[in-house]
Parts: sequence; C-alpha cells; structure tokens
Amino acid sequence: EIVLTQSPGTLSLSPGDRATLSCRASQSLFGNYLAWYQQKPGQAPRLLIYGALSRATGIPDRFSGSGSGTDFTLTISRLEPEDFAVYYCQQFSSSPPYTFGQGTELEIK
Amino acid sequence: QVQLVESGGGVVQPGRSLRLSCAASGFTFSRYVMHWVRQAPGKGLEWVAAIWTDGSTRYSGDSVKDRFTISRDNSENTVYLQVNSLRAEDTAVYFCARYGAVTGYDYWGQGTLVTVSS
Repeated sequence: EIVLTQSPGTLSLSPGDRATLSCRASQSLFGNYLAWYQQKPGQAPRLLIYGALSRATGIPDRFSGSGSGTDFTLTISRLEPEDFAVYYCQQFSSSPPYTFGQGTELEIK
Repeated sequence: QVQLVESGGGVVQPGRSLRLSCAASGFTFSRYVMHWVRQAPGKGLEWVAAIWTDGSTRYSGDSVKDRFTISRDNSENTVYLQVNSLRAEDTAVYFCARYGAVTGYDYWGQGTLVTVSS
C-alpha cells in the first residue's frame, strides 16, 4: 500500500498570501497519477488538480500542481477568503487501495 | 448535469446491516468505474471500495473486506454498498464518487451518514 504524507498538518496564512502544500508518497507514483481535493465543512470534496499538474474544469488559475515521482506540491498563488479549507492528496498509481493523505488544514491567520 | 445522490444511511446497532445506494444521472453510467469513500466525524478521507464498469472487478479496503460489498446495476444507473456486521468505527459519512482513470474523482455525491450505536 502506498502511503501519502501531507505537510504541514495546519497552515496559518492571510488572504493574499501564497500557500504551498506538500504531499510525499512512500513509493514513486507511476504516471504521476495524483490528485488534489479541497473540502469545506459539511461539503463533499472537490477535485482541484489531477495528473499532478492539470487543473480540473472550473478551477481558478491561482491553483497549480507540480511534482513527480514521490514529491508533489499544491500551490495557491494568492489566497482568497474562500480558499480556507482542508486539502487532500490522493494517488491512483497502482491498483486499489487508492490512498489519501491525512489532509492539510489551511486556516486564516 | 452530472449528479450523484446517496441514500440509505441512518442509525444502526452494532452487528446490523445497511444497504447504501448512489443514484447517478447526467452521464453514461455504464462507462465509469465507481467508488465509495468514507469520512469519520472530524477525520480524513478513507477509500472504501471500487467497482469496474461491468461489475466484473471489485476491490475493497482491508478495514472493510469481508463485511462490505460493492455492486452496481447499470440498467438502474445505481451503485450500491452493502455494509454488514457494522462496528462503531464504521460511523462515517459515505460518499460515492465517479472515477476517471486520469482525472481521479471528478464528481462526488453529497454523502449519506451512517451512525453505528447501541
């Protein structure tokens, strides 16, 4: 089973700041099949980034993904008030289980 | 538009069973692999089970293996999760999600809450 470790656990920033979230895999992800999701309280997760690099439909360009192999990053260039939420990475590199990271909470400083 | 609507959750005693349903609309259901994901209160996301387009291949997580069974009815555009021998630690919101091999989970349902309590 591939283990994903997200850091930091909590990130305290202000609107307008740049956010950098990390996701590290316990083994290299074939095809870089890694996705990022945003989840707000009481809501289902929303797909932000897939294939490590590609923005999902309707996602603002302030969200970007990078990385390959075992190290991946989600960057939010200028935080908007609606971006404060929990972010999860997930890998689809191998056959199931399609594991998630434990999440990074992005909170307002 | 794509919609996934879960139902079937509720409060159930330990050891009992439930069948969760996820009704899909707005896309060709039979062309998509479908998954269930759960989230315990205040916790992160946990992958539960997956079923291939024709139902021939199924996977489930170690924590639910032999107790939970995923199935689908392509004529009814519905995916199911039969949850048996429920335990307190199965208390969670259960989401169904549409899986794209490249995109991951591009659509999610709103979730259905299962509470296991005596």
